[in-house]
Amino acid sequence: NAGVMQNPRHLVRRRGQEARLRCSPMKGHSHVYWYRQLPEEGLKFMVYLQKENIIDESGMPKERFSAEFPKEGPSILRIQQVVRGDSAAYFCASSPPWSGGPGEQFFGPGTRLTVL
Amino acid sequence: DAKTTQPTSMDCAEGRAANLPCNHSTISGNEYVYWYRQIHSQGPQYIIHGLKNNETNEMASLIITEDRKSSTLILPHATLRDTAVYYCIVYNYGQNFVFGPGTRLSVLP
Repeated sequence: NAGVMQNPRHLVRRRGQEARLRCSPMKGHSHVYWYRQLPEEGLKFMVYLQKENIIDESGMPKERFSAEFPKEGPSILRIQQVVRGDSAAYFCASSPPWSGGPGEQFFGPGTRLTVL
Repeated sequence: DAKTTQPTSMDCAEGRAANLPCNHSTISGNEYVYWYRQIHSQGPQYIIHGLKNNETNEMASLIITEDRKSSTLILPHATLRDTAVYYCIVYNYGQNFVFGPGTRLSVLP
């Protein structure tokens, strides 16, 4: 059973360009979470999605950031018109449907975004 | 804000037990205590979780106090590869993981 996959692992963009980060959850997992980690800081929650639904986006910046988890295919975190402050590691996690317990989250290796 | 407080850093001699404390005095009855670690800049790795009882797996043991206001993660025989940032998280289904700064454990040869 493959783990959570993220691609690309490293992404370089110039200011003003768009960044698209992809996350394929573990097989059988229908919940996806995105986190951002700035250098020397802890992970910060951004958004929680289930298939075709955004459940909680309380951690998403109000502008330029969006996320989706379509019926088919990976979850996408999209950052429009990137700025230098968007440079960070972006981690995706997935968890299975509720089965009576809390359901731990399994993390991917992350995408390191560098904005020049 | 994280519901947990942990020491900023700890050292442990290789081969010795590493005991990492965590305070979670506002934990509610249906919330679990989870431990993850992050080695260098990799994705966080699940270690163990518990609700009330002490738990043990192949990686670690988790001791939760009777009042559930604190817990201790025990790595029984720390190795250099256990050097990492360890995060204690209070969590239940449908919530989001709130990561604090964690404890930076350095295992020394």
